[in-house]
This record gives sequence, C-alpha cells and structure tokens, in this order.
Amino acid sequence: RKEVEQDPGPFNVPEGATVAFNCTYSNSASQSFFWYRQDCRKEPKLLMSVYSSGNEDGRFTAQLNRASQYISLLIRDSKLSDSATYLCVVLHNTDKLIFGTGTRLQVFP
Amino acid sequence: DADVTQTPRNRITKTGKRIMLECSQTKGHDRMYWYRQDPGLGLRLIYYSFDVKDINKGEISDGYSVSRQAQAKFSLSLESAIPNQTALYFCATRGADLTLDGYTFGSGTRLTVV
Repeated sequence: RKEVEQDPGPFNVPEGATVAFNCTYSNSASQSFFWYRQDCRKEPKLLMSVYSSGNEDGRFTAQLNRASQYISLLIRDSKLSDSATYLCVVLHNTDKLIFGTGTRLQVFP
Repeated sequence: DADVTQTPRNRITKTGKRIMLECSQTKGHDRMYWYRQDPGLGLRLIYYSFDVKDINKGEISDGYSVSRQAQAKFSLSLESAIPNQTALYFCATRGADLTLDGYTFGSGTRLTVV
C-alpha cells in the first residue's frame, strides 16, 4: 500500500466549477501536510500547507482529518490557469516529505 | 537567477556510462535533497543531506551516489547508468519553516538512458 494515495484523475471541469481532491495517508505519526502544484514538465511548487483546523487561501480550501488520515483540497470558481497536477504531500516524523502520485486537473472553457 | 539550479536540463546517455547531475542553490539552506519522478510513481527520495559531510540514503539509493561539496552544492552521480534510471530528477532545498516556504525545487533534469 502506498504511504500517500490520491485519485490520479484526470478531473475535467468547466471554468467556474468547484472541484475537490482527496488524499489518504497511512502513517499515523505523520506530522505535517501540504498540497503542491506541478505544471507539466515543471517542478512542484508549494500551494498551501494544511492545518488541523482547516485553512483557506483565496479560492483554495484545505482540510485535514487526522482520525481518518484524510486530506482534501477544494478549488472554487476554477480558472483555466488551475490546470495542473496537484500533489498531496506528507511530512514523516523522520523529517522527510512523502509525495502522492498526484491528481491531474484540466479546466476547460 | 533561479534559487535552485540544476544542470544539465536534459541529457541522453548510454547504458554503462557514468553521469553526474549538478545542483546549486542560493537560498543558504542547509538541507538538500535529490528526488526522481516517474509516471504513476510520484517523487521518490534518492538521497538527502542536512549539512556538508552529512549524507543519508533515501528510499531508492541503489545505483546512485551523492556528494555535498559545499553548503550550496549537492551532486548526484550514476556510476553506471541503466535504462530504468530514465526519469525526471529534481533537486530541492528546505528552509527552516516548512509550512511557510516548503521545499524549493530546481527545474529538473530529464535523463534518458539508452
């Protein structure tokens, strides 16, 4: 079983739609959680950290459920520029980041 | 200039050849990492270093070696390249506040072993 699991997609949504991605992790000792964005053939970049209380950054909302070992990312009012792969990332207690394989989002006009 | 620079950007090499991928950073970070990315497998950690003279194996270190020549430089070597090492390789650094800054990745090296 992978340590971090995501639905690979692709999610094809029209502009203006709301889309949600889910992620599960297997190590209950994981300390911190993140969403990274990766454009095709480019490097991953930090989108947002995920806090236990949930957090929002503009159109993006991240949630963490430690009991279920589940992380989510909600994107509201999707833009064409949101098209990318979204990586769920978990920090181990060994101080290493573990990456999910990513969920691909394609927003169409 | 980019904060994390990787060279070369693309490389095609033959099976059995030795190849070195270079990484340099201007962030002043102590921690540096090498990852490889394959379709369907995500990023996997090869080696990491928390300081000069500190080298640690990641989950897929076999067939690779690294050198941390200075705080700013961390190079990855394939002593005898094989086709299943064809992948996209990323170097990354990490600052003190992971939640704020995350990892900073280089632009990647696309390596093809034929």
